[in-house]
Amino acid sequence: IAGITQAPTSQILAAGRRMTLRCTQDMRHNAMYWYRQDLGLGLRLIHYSNTAGTTGKGEVPDGYSVSRANTDDFPLTLASAVPSQTSVYFCASGVQEGNEQFFGPGTRLTVL
Amino acid sequence: KQEVTQIPAALSVPEGENLVLNCSFTDSAIYNLQWFRQDPGKGLTSLLLIQSSQREQTSGRLNASLDKSSGRSTLYIAASQPGDSATYLCAVYNQAGTALIFGKGTTLSVSS
Repeated sequence: IAGITQAPTSQILAAGRRMTLRCTQDMRHNAMYWYRQDLGLGLRLIHYSNTAGTTGKGEVPDGYSVSRANTDDFPLTLASAVPSQTSVYFCASGVQEGNEQFFGPGTRLTVL
Repeated sequence: KQEVTQIPAALSVPEGENLVLNCSFTDSAIYNLQWFRQDPGKGLTSLLLIQSSQREQTSGRLNASLDKSSGRSTLYIAASQPGDSATYLCAVYNQAGTALIFGKGTTLSVSS
């Protein structure tokens, strides 16, 4: 692994289903982030974690949850997917909060 | 609420031109500012991070400046090449350093 990996690359999901997007980084970064990118709205922060064991809410947290059990992994869960959650999801990390952020390749999610 | 604006939304130039991309933000109490490029269908690549105490940062043909008092940053690209064609995103950290707030980007097209 080099940098940040995200899985799956893309997914089509029925509304109401539960889905977990995975994010793993091998840079031992303390801070990790989840963003969504939508046409016309740009990138918006969903949740963040400044260090393992802590998480915080971003601009658009409703309908999403995260956990940070260890330094490397930061999964994003949609408990009951809705069509408005159709988006491209990016995971990012940085040495610590406020530092340069590095992004993963993204997950394209379609909720029907 | 912090708002980030990038003008123009799109720009087309011939190869070899020097160009400037503009970014403005409404709240001057920022922690850091970061410039990214995004190729179609890809993740974000970090170009430069300017700390709030810095006035500019350089990397190769790229030079980014920051004027906190006027709420502006510029990204200068020297001797543009077709490979520079991409969307360029400006993002500012909030004062706490916990969240990056993104502009909607400038899409650059460099023709050979």
